[in-house]
Order: sequence, then C-alpha cells, then structure tokens
Amino acid sequence: EVRLLESGGGSVQPGGSLRLSCAASAFNFNQYAMSWVRQPPGKGLEWVSTISASATDTYYADSVKGRFTISRDNSKNTLFLQLNSLRADDTAIYFCAKTKRQLLRPDYYNYHGLDAWGQGTTVAVSS
Amino acid sequence: DIQMIQFPSTLSASVGDRVTITCWATQSIGTRLAWYQQKARKAPKLLIYKASNLESGVPARFSGSGSGTEFTLTISSLQPDDSATYYCQYYNNYSMYIFGQGTKLEI
Repeated sequence: EVRLLESGGGSVQPGGSLRLSCAASAFNFNQYAMSWVRQPPGKGLEWVSTISASATDTYYADSVKGRFTISRDNSKNTLFLQLNSLRADDTAIYFCAKTKRQLLRPDYYNYHGLDAWGQGTTVAVSS
Repeated sequence: DIQMIQFPSTLSASVGDRVTITCWATQSIGTRLAWYQQKARKAPKLLIYKASNLESGVPARFSGSGSGTEFTLTISSLQPDDSATYYCQYYNNYSMYIFGQGTKLEI
C-alpha cells in the first residue's frame, strides 16, 4: 500500500521559514510527479506546487511563487517543500500527494489527478 | 484563469437518497476533471478521474459525468459513510490543479 508521511510543520513567526518533508514508500517514487496541496483551517483545498519525476520541471501556484521551493531526493524517496517569507495566510495543513498516471503507449503517460495522499503536517504562522 | 464552481455548498440528504453535486468550469476543460471525498480531519481520497472513470476500490454507487464546462458527481444510494466534503478538481496533466470550493454533504 502506498504510504506518504509528512513532517516538518510547526509554529513560526511571519517572515520565517520552514522545510517540510514527505517520506514515500511502497511505490516507485522516482517514476511519479509529486505535489503539495494545502488546506487552511476550516477552508477548502488549494494546490501549492508540483515537481516532475526527474525533478527537471517545477510548478507553483501564484500565491507561493518566489517564496516556496519544491524539491525531491529520489535516492531517499523523499519530497520537500521549503517555505520562506511565511505569512499568516500560509497557515494550513500541508498534504503531499502522488500523481495518478495512465500508460497510453510505451513511455507515454497521461496524468489524472492525485491518487494517494499523506495525512498532512500543520503550519501555523503567527506573531 | 480557470475557476471551478461547485453547487450546492452544503447538502442534506437521507440514507438511500440519490444525490447529485454539480461543478462548472469557467472555460472548457474537456474531461480533465477529478472528484475527491474528504472526511473530517482526514486526507482527501480520489473517487473519479477523467470526469467519469471510477478509481479502483471506490464503491460503484459513485459515478461522474460531463465534459467541457459542466460536470456532475452522483451518489446513487446514499450510505451513512458518505458524509463528507466533496471537491471537484481541474488538472492540466500535472502542471496545475484547481479545486472547487467544496460541497459538504450531511446525512
């Protein structure tokens, strides 16, 4: 069974930094794009960032571009999110998630949403 | 920018009812639409992908339909375990994901 385990959350003052980690197991981590999605208290889901399987491509929501950096270590099956210049509205549960892919022909996939999620790690930004 | 709009925001129904949640995209997205279920204090769970494809292990009472700008999630016979918040999501391969605001289903 696919397992994703986030860590690194905590309380931080505005302007501070945190580094989130997501340890993956039970699938070929180096073959899947991975994402971070967050959920502010009592609110809906917001996509934050995605990184391709080989880490050659990264994508960010406008709300975090220039402040957050996604990365991965395929040798350790771990996904990261570096959070800098944190603001109060970054307060949320941060989930890591695995991309669902569908093989169309040899070495060519389509991608369809997020089919495995961790339980999340909480980031609280407050003075 | 594409926005995803769900209706209703909250829904109250009884066991055995047939319920439908609607999701609109502000521009055509083909069938690049997924549905998720999120129970309180839990991670979301993928139910439907590519608008109408049932994810493995998801009960057959869940179904999805639509294309272009209008999509629906239907639960054919509501069960007590279906109490949750449901989200639609547009995806552009894996370069972007946009969620609807959610529909809270109370049983």
